[in-house]
Amino acid sequence: GAVVSQHPSWVICKSGTSVKIECRSLDFQATTMFWYRQFPKQSLMLMATSNEGSKATYEQGVEKDKFLINHASLTLSTLTVTSAHPEDSSFYICSARDPAGAYEQYFGPGTRLTVT
Amino acid sequence: SQQGEEDPQALSIQEGENATMNCSYKTSINNLQWYRQNSGRGLVHLILIRSNEREKHSGRLRVTLDTSKKSSSLLITASRAADTASYFCVPGNQFYFGTGTSLTVIP
Repeated sequence: GAVVSQHPSWVICKSGTSVKIECRSLDFQATTMFWYRQFPKQSLMLMATSNEGSKATYEQGVEKDKFLINHASLTLSTLTVTSAHPEDSSFYICSARDPAGAYEQYFGPGTRLTVT
Repeated sequence: SQQGEEDPQALSIQEGENATMNCSYKTSINNLQWYRQNSGRGLVHLILIRSNEREKHSGRLRVTLDTSKKSSSLLITASRAADTASYFCVPGNQFYFGTGTSLTVIP
């Protein structure tokens, strides 16, 4: 099946710094990728849809200036958490659809962000 | 947009027993998907069932879809401890997740 990777798998940063998370589709080209965040014992919340070559579409309530998304190539999307605060600590997961497949999403393993 | 509503929220069974979880949704769909998430991990796509299918099997998984009732069920037969995870249904070509069913299989 299609494989999506994320890097890093976990990161600890200090308040006020920025953190970049990468999401890669390893064996297919993804024109669209999705970014989610998940708090402990809660479900996934869609943050934004990342479109290759164009601006991301953010869900209501998600600050686009705080969560910068760049989808510069068909295999890479990045999420940058700018000026991170402790409340940004969460589990961030990306996913992508294989255009050659049906409608299933392939998820990365997630990135655990802790802001101290 | 819509998300599925899984029921029950939590389920605890003994290893070897069958586990059944249900999903309800609100609007018409052309397919429905089930995903599994192990604790602290990404999600894994389990199975997709199309609106013209009533039942689908994949290994120990059996999924049903009743479009007239806007509901689906996921049956895991002969459960194993490794099946312990949260299970989510996603109706249609959506990207929104409900709260899922947390399944615990006791060895």
